[in-house]
Amino acid sequence: QKEVEQDPGPLSVPEGAIVSLNCTYSNSAFQYFMWYRQYSRKGPELLMYTYSSGNKEDGRFTAQVDKSSKYISLFIRDSQPSDSATYLCAMTRANGNNRLAFGKGNQVVVIP
Amino acid sequence: NAGVTQTPKFQVLKTGQSMTLQCAQDMNHNSMYWYRQDPGMGLRLIYYSASEGTTDKGEVPNGYNVSRLNKREFSLRLESAAPSQTSVYFCASSEEDRARENIQYFGAGTRLSVL
Repeated sequence: QKEVEQDPGPLSVPEGAIVSLNCTYSNSAFQYFMWYRQYSRKGPELLMYTYSSGNKEDGRFTAQVDKSSKYISLFIRDSQPSDSATYLCAMTRANGNNRLAFGKGNQVVVIP
Repeated sequence: NAGVTQTPKFQVLKTGQSMTLQCAQDMNHNSMYWYRQDPGMGLRLIYYSASEGTTDKGEVPNGYNVSRLNKREFSLRLESAAPSQTSVYFCASSEEDRARENIQYFGAGTRLSVL
């Protein structure tokens, strides 16, 4: 079983819809959780970062972490065509070897 | 604010040719990384450098070598390119490899085709 599982999609939604993305993971030592956004032919850029369980909100974006279920989510409210991108989840342990474990990425297309 | 700069942006090689991908960061980060990204495979770590003067293998190091030239620069070399190395290569940097959250910042990538 891969450490981080992410359904690659693609996911197509109409403009204004809520986009829901998620990742599951197997390593209970993961404590830091990130979402990267990657536009076509660009490098990944950090979108949101959360520590341990709970929610974090930044404008139209909300990240949720449920450590008991080993499940993280990203919600995009009022989606815009400019949100069309691939979204990668990433996570790491708190101590020791802190390599980032990435999901494969989920392509999102917001249709005007 | 350049961040992480990769050169070249595109490259086409013939099987057996060699080349070096260059990466430089201006954020005074200690740690640097090389990844490759293939369809359906996600990002896979090739090599990383936790600090100047150190390098370590990642998940897929075979066929590659790296050099941490100084704190700013980390190069990736393909000695004898193979079609299986056709990919998009990303360089990344972070403040500290053992920082708690290890937030990494990525370059724009190098698209490499090996014929």
